[in-house]
Amino acid sequence: QSALTQPASVSGSPGQSITISCTGTSNDIGSYNHVSWYQQHPGKAPTLMIYEGSQRPSGVSDRFSGSKSGNTASLTISGLQAEDEADYYCCSYASSTTLVFGGGTMLTVL
Amino acid sequence: QLQLQESGPGLVKPSETLSLTCTVSGGSLSSSSFCWGWIRQPPGKGLEWIGNIYYSGTTYYSPSHNSRVTISVHTSKNQFSLKLNSVTAADTAVYYCARFPIAAPDNHHAFDIWGQGTMVTVSS
Repeated sequence: QSALTQPASVSGSPGQSITISCTGTSNDIGSYNHVSWYQQHPGKAPTLMIYEGSQRPSGVSDRFSGSKSGNTASLTISGLQAEDEADYYCCSYASSTTLVFGGGTMLTVL
Repeated sequence: QLQLQESGPGLVKPSETLSLTCTVSGGSLSSSSFCWGWIRQPPGKGLEWIGNIYYSGTTYYSPSHNSRVTISVHTSKNQFSLKLNSVTAADTAVYYCARFPIAAPDNHHAFDIWGQGTMVTVSS
């Protein structure tokens, strides 16, 4: 199984919205609704931001939203804030019992 | 509040076996609502799923590591462990353990609680 494809980096100014894509295949993202997104600040463990493609865990800001279309999932962050600067990773089932992460996207808040 | 903590040697010699333990506190590992996973992150690189284990002992491994990895659960100690044999420098990474809910009420099918991670270096 190959890693899901994410852009290496994205950037935006405070207050703007950005979208990070996560492209897979019909065998992973295209076959399962359980796409999750993680935020990771330098030197820290990842934090769950989105699960089941579009659901937010308790405590996660509603500025974070997720969607899926076909073999591609997306994470949108609206009203960018300096604290959103981090690495973001998507994750999907690659089969009924295995998982695969995306390569990660570095978000820079200009 | 549930917490996970990784522990084990920070330095392993090439060709030897990497062994790590994840201790679950503030809750029980023995629940059919969850499975438990290991994820690693080489320096400067992305996250890589290694495998998951159910409290029953059923395991699922990444095809990339299947031949070298063993994940076990130790319910009496509220711990689960990772063994990776025949390590090379490419196995140098921060290793994380995490919880993966699979049933109600938190039917996330995502890693919702993570340990802080432990750095393992493979070097002679």
